[in-house]
Amino acid sequence: TQLLEQSPQFLSIQEGENLTVYCNSSSVFSSLQWYRQEPGEGPVLLVTVVTGGEVKKLKRLTFQFGDARKDSSLHITAAQPGDTGLYLCAGIIQGAQKLVFGQGTRLTINP
Amino acid sequence: NAGVMQNPRHLVRRRGQEARLRCSPMKGHSHVYWYRQLPEEGLKFMVYLQKENIIDESGMPKERFSAEFPKEGPSILRIQQVVRGDSAAYFCASSPIGRGTEAFFGQGTRLTVV
Repeated sequence: TQLLEQSPQFLSIQEGENLTVYCNSSSVFSSLQWYRQEPGEGPVLLVTVVTGGEVKKLKRLTFQFGDARKDSSLHITAAQPGDTGLYLCAGIIQGAQKLVFGQGTRLTINP
Repeated sequence: NAGVMQNPRHLVRRRGQEARLRCSPMKGHSHVYWYRQLPEEGLKFMVYLQKENIIDESGMPKERFSAEFPKEGPSILRIQQVVRGDSAAYFCASSPIGRGTEAFFGQGTRLTVV
């Protein structure tokens, strides 16, 4: 059973388009993080959200934490080829002590 | 994530040999997670340790795998009698406090069993 469901798993779009990646669960998370991983490298932390309804922006990336702290989304505006990579959501379930990951969204931005 | 150091970056072992993977957490971090990643897949939790304690090993295979995080020195993930199916990238992450805080990853060790 996957505790965090990411969708879509694969996404290929043209440069300049917008996109949204979703991370959903039936569990409540005390915090949720988004990572980006490039081939041959470890995941790099992009953002952490902890408050229900929280929205954080990182240049063209907008991260939102659901009001109930069960889901999150990552929206990229005007995607660029440099955004290509594997995007992972991860969270700590309330009351638990380990970081659980979604399957990842493999994003390809075509020039 | 540059602060979490994993070595070696690449490790080749023959079937039946032992593999030792090392992880030095970021300075000031006393909690370490190990994850395994198969090609084209996400990260699967293996074990969560703090110094001298295993907090959660629910993701560790029951046999051949062990992990430790001694009071001094790096955390070690040990795989005995490796098999081809153990080939994967193994990532370590560290955090300063175990619960509800950010984890930072090393660059991983890519294990190939031949």
